[in-house]
Amino acid sequence: EVQLVESGGGLVQPGGSLRLSCAGSGFSFSDYWMHWVRQVPGKGLVWVSRIKGDGSHIAYAESVKGRFTISRDNAKNTLYLEMISLRVEDTALYYCVRDPSSGIDYWGQGTQVTVSS
Amino acid sequence: EILMTQSPLSLSVTPGQPASVSCRSSRSLLHSDGKTYLYWYLQKPGQSPRLLIYEVSSRFSGVPDRFSGSGSGTDFTLKISRVEAEDVGIYYCMQGIDVPQTYGQGTRVEIK
Repeated sequence: EVQLVESGGGLVQPGGSLRLSCAGSGFSFSDYWMHWVRQVPGKGLVWVSRIKGDGSHIAYAESVKGRFTISRDNAKNTLYLEMISLRVEDTALYYCVRDPSSGIDYWGQGTQVTVSS
Repeated sequence: EILMTQSPLSLSVTPGQPASVSCRSSRSLLHSDGKTYLYWYLQKPGQSPRLLIYEVSSRFSGVPDRFSGSGSGTDFTLKISRVEAEDVGIYYCMQGIDVPQTYGQGTRVEIK
């Protein structure tokens, strides 16, 4: 069974930083592209970043470029999102998602990031 | 970026009746590899989204056959042949042909 389990969310002040993690299991982690997608409660889905199975082909949404860094450790089957200079508008539920080619097939349960003073 | 536009934004359906959601992209989702990268997801209340349809018309594992997808190029449709109570939630289309991957606004389906 494919499982994606996010962790690392929390409450942080504007300008602060957080590191999200996503542990994948039930599949060959290194064979898949992985993404982060976020959702403000009651709002739509917004793509944040993606990374290919071998750690290449990294891309970011314009709104997070220069502040967020995506990475992965295939030996640990784990995806990361390092977030610095956090803004109030980064407040959202962050999902880790799996991508077999050019679409998402499985989603984690999400980890909440709240940026507030 | 590719803009995805869904309609209607909300739908109230009697159980057993059909329902249809439309999705239009601002440019063609047909890739040079011959595939069209259009996906449909359902987010039930309090849950993460889950995949229903991939590449326009292929049902994902475990998805009931009352769900079907169709379309080409820039115009796509998700149909539910007979809506059941468990189908309530928000339906999203998504394009995967280009970065950033973008989503429609979502269509909320409720039961009358």
